[in-house]
Amino acid sequence: GNSVTQMEGPVTLSEEAFLTINCTYTATGYPSLFWYVQYPGEGLQLLLKATKADDKGSNKGFEATYRKETTSFHLEKGSVQVSDSAVYFCALSVAGGSYIPTFGRGTSLIVHP
Amino acid sequence: DSGVTQTPKHLITATGQRVTLRCSPRSGDLSVYWYQQSLDQGLQFLIQYYNGEERAKGNILERFSAQQFPDLHSELNLSSLELGDSALYFCASSPGTPGSSGNTIYFGEGSWLTVV
Repeated sequence: GNSVTQMEGPVTLSEEAFLTINCTYTATGYPSLFWYVQYPGEGLQLLLKATKADDKGSNKGFEATYRKETTSFHLEKGSVQVSDSAVYFCALSVAGGSYIPTFGRGTSLIVHP
Repeated sequence: DSGVTQTPKHLITATGQRVTLRCSPRSGDLSVYWYQQSLDQGLQFLIQYYNGEERAKGNILERFSAQQFPDLHSELNLSSLELGDSALYFCASSPGTPGSSGNTIYFGEGSWLTVV
């Protein structure tokens, strides 16, 4: 089956620090990969996505590269801000069938001033 | 604003009761998904509808049911509620047909259910 494994949080950083949140996956078939972000009291929002190997998704200073050889899609940001404090979810979906995204358990990021 | 609207935002109800959660997908989206988010279980897929038809079932209890109406809005019915059903219930929608893996799904802000 399909599964997504994320590093456990919370991840606590100071403002302007470098962020990495690890995500690895297993999939039957060729998945598309996503990062969603959930700010407090809100729903999940798409942050970025990549649909094929070696693609880099980027948005709001966040980046993630689809690494087929290591089955990974790690999220990075060079300089985090307090406003980045949120829960980050890695997800995948595989073509065919009903297309049901599989989500990781989420990683909480706390950024201190 | 994702364009997915859920009501109510919060509700508190007693054990044994029944509630209905409502979702309006983004304009033009044919697929609707329901997810349950709790602290111990994370984000759990419940059920998907596409253009009025059930397409996939996840970890949905028999006490729960859903449907999608001709105008594409969806309702999730939760009955014989238990304390453990307290959670945040999300509706999401996507524009593409099932089987298109690159489709982004768009989430509503959720309905907080507290069972007391």
